[in-house]
Amino acid sequence: DAGVIQSPRHEVTEMGQEVTLRCKPISGHDYLFWYRQTMMRGLELLIYFNNNVPIDDSGMPEDRFSAKMPNASFSTLKIQPSEPRDSAVYFCASTQGGTTEAFFGQGTRLTVV
Amino acid sequence: QKEVEQNSGPLSVPEGAIASLNCTYSDRGSQSFFWYRQYSGKSPELIMFIYSNGDKEDGRFTAQLNKASQYVSLLIRDSQPSDSATYLCAVSEGPLVFGKGTRLSVIA
Repeated sequence: DAGVIQSPRHEVTEMGQEVTLRCKPISGHDYLFWYRQTMMRGLELLIYFNNNVPIDDSGMPEDRFSAKMPNASFSTLKIQPSEPRDSAVYFCASTQGGTTEAFFGQGTRLTVV
Repeated sequence: QKEVEQNSGPLSVPEGAIASLNCTYSDRGSQSFFWYRQYSGKSPELIMFIYSNGDKEDGRFTAQLNKASQYVSLLIRDSQPSDSATYLCAVSEGPLVFGKGTRLSVIA
């Protein structure tokens, strides 16, 4: 298996623009997580899905953030409009069962200027 | 609010020494405990997991869990420069909650 695949790896955008991050989980995994990592706050859970259904989005910082999982093999995290404080590394992770080892994608480094 | 606390470091140890990394957690109901290693610019990768009180050994790594004290630790024996990374403690009663990590530097 290729593991969790995220795209793009790097994204530089201007403030106010829409940003869409993409994730393909490991086949057969039923949970998908979106995390954000910064030096100040570490790895923060933004939202997670079980069988494509959003379970908890309490970590989503603002209404500017939204996430979807239209099928078992694809999820998106969208920021609209983006702001400089959104600059971070965004990780997608998947698990088989919600409390087992999480496998991480390579992350998307987002820079909003 | 579930919290996982780690000393941010940096923790510096000489090559060949034992590195000891510690973690405390707030949720007594937590059942699963994980240690991840993250090299600079890379994604976290699992080193070990532990579910029961006591020690669990895997090669040079030993995880220790004390649920009564809400304490998890990771020992790295015979530390190598390649062990230099940030070590993340994660706790689960549902989605993983991560500490901010401890940066380890192994000096050759």
